[in-house]
Amino acid sequence: AQSVTQLDSHVSVSEGTPVLLRCNYSSSYSPSLFWYVQHPNKGLQLLLKYTSAATLVKGINGFEAEFKKSETSFHLTKPSAHMSDAAEYFCVVNPTNAGKSTFGDGTTLTVKP
Amino acid sequence: DGGITQSPKYLFRKEGQNVTLSCEQNLNHDAMYWYRQDPGQGLRLIYYSQIVNDFQKGDIAEGYSVSREKKESFPLTVTSAQKNPTAFYLCASSIQMAVSNTEAFFGQGTRLTVV
Repeated sequence: AQSVTQLDSHVSVSEGTPVLLRCNYSSSYSPSLFWYVQHPNKGLQLLLKYTSAATLVKGINGFEAEFKKSETSFHLTKPSAHMSDAAEYFCVVNPTNAGKSTFGDGTTLTVKP
Repeated sequence: DGGITQSPKYLFRKEGQNVTLSCEQNLNHDAMYWYRQDPGQGLRLIYYSQIVNDFQKGDIAEGYSVSREKKESFPLTVTSAQKNPTAFYLCASSIQMAVSNTEAFFGQGTRLTVV
């Protein structure tokens, strides 16, 4: 069985300050992990993915995430928030045994001017 | 441009009426999915299909039906048996469900409202 927990339902930052969105997972196998972003009334777009290569993964729009197996975490970070980063963010785990994806409940990021 | 197209963007349904949401992809993906999203909640899987002419129930299939007669098309019908259909519906596809390290591609969604 696998699960994903996004530790914060809402995160608020000021423009230009760092962003940290937290994600913990559990999986019986070595998983593939993903972060997606969803702007209001839009579909989900892939930000980045971890697939057992480098543990520090760089994505689009300046986002990156670090896979920490010992902590079962895959936190998403960005050094400097931009107003356009305001959106919903989802952490997703895919098992290696070809099962269904598991989505976290999402984190709403608000960026204040 | 390759991608997934959902239509319509907005849909209104009367009580007791069936409606069908369209999802088409030109990515040559084998796997396709339908998700439901309610305000403040994550995505819940309704149905998925790993290959043409085959599909399986997801976590909340009651009141919904699908077909997969063509590789590129995976329409979702919301039947009158679905008692609370108002939601945002997302269609997605991936190369193959068995390939775990590949991402899903999402359509822009259909917002269904019961009137």
